[in-house]
Amino acid sequence: GESVGLHLPTLSVQEGDNSIINCAYSNSASDYFIWYKQESGKGPQFIIDIRSNMDKRQGQRVTVLLNKTVKHLSLQIAATQPGDSAVYFCAESGNTGKLIFGQGTTLQVKP
Amino acid sequence: DAGVTQSPTHLIKTRGQQVTLRCSPKSGHDTVSWYQQALGQGPQFIFQYYEEEERQRGNFPDRFSGHQFPNYSSELNVNALLLGDSALYLCASSLGRRNEKLFFGSGTQLSVL
Repeated sequence: GESVGLHLPTLSVQEGDNSIINCAYSNSASDYFIWYKQESGKGPQFIIDIRSNMDKRQGQRVTVLLNKTVKHLSLQIAATQPGDSAVYFCAESGNTGKLIFGQGTTLQVKP
Repeated sequence: DAGVTQSPTHLIKTRGQQVTLRCSPKSGHDTVSWYQQALGQGPQFIFQYYEEEERQRGNFPDRFSGHQFPNYSSELNVNALLLGDSALYLCASSLGRRNEKLFFGSGTQLSVL
């Protein structure tokens, strides 16, 4: 069945370093991907999205890379700050139109 | 511009009871989706409402039902509560049914005892 998974449950980085959070998806029909950040006690917050006709998209301090050949998605955060500490979810949407979330990666930023 | 608002923020119920959760979408949005998030897990899609009708449904039993009002606000109802229904219930809104750029509320934390 469809699934979106994350490679590592927890990522610990030093403040100022770059962070890379990875995600694998299994549905080759997926054509839309999105990253969310969720802080404790809050709902998921939109970070960045990308369509399958692109392989890279940049935002403010964030970049999403999509490799359709190996069905892999990554989120890069430049100059990671303490405020970036949160759980990050990737999600995908395909021909069903449903947004399917992975289980999340916890990002811990060390001062 | 208010984002997605949900009420109540916390709720405690006992097994067998019924619960209603409420959601007001972000201004300008016409589609509401509901998600269930268990502790330590990603959100799971329950259903989507558009034009006051349920348009898509995830793998949830009929105990879960909903409604959308003409002003696009929505309710999620859960009957015959089970202990396993304890979770964070998230409402998300978007423009159109495509489920892109969903904006989430802070959720309702439901505890079933």
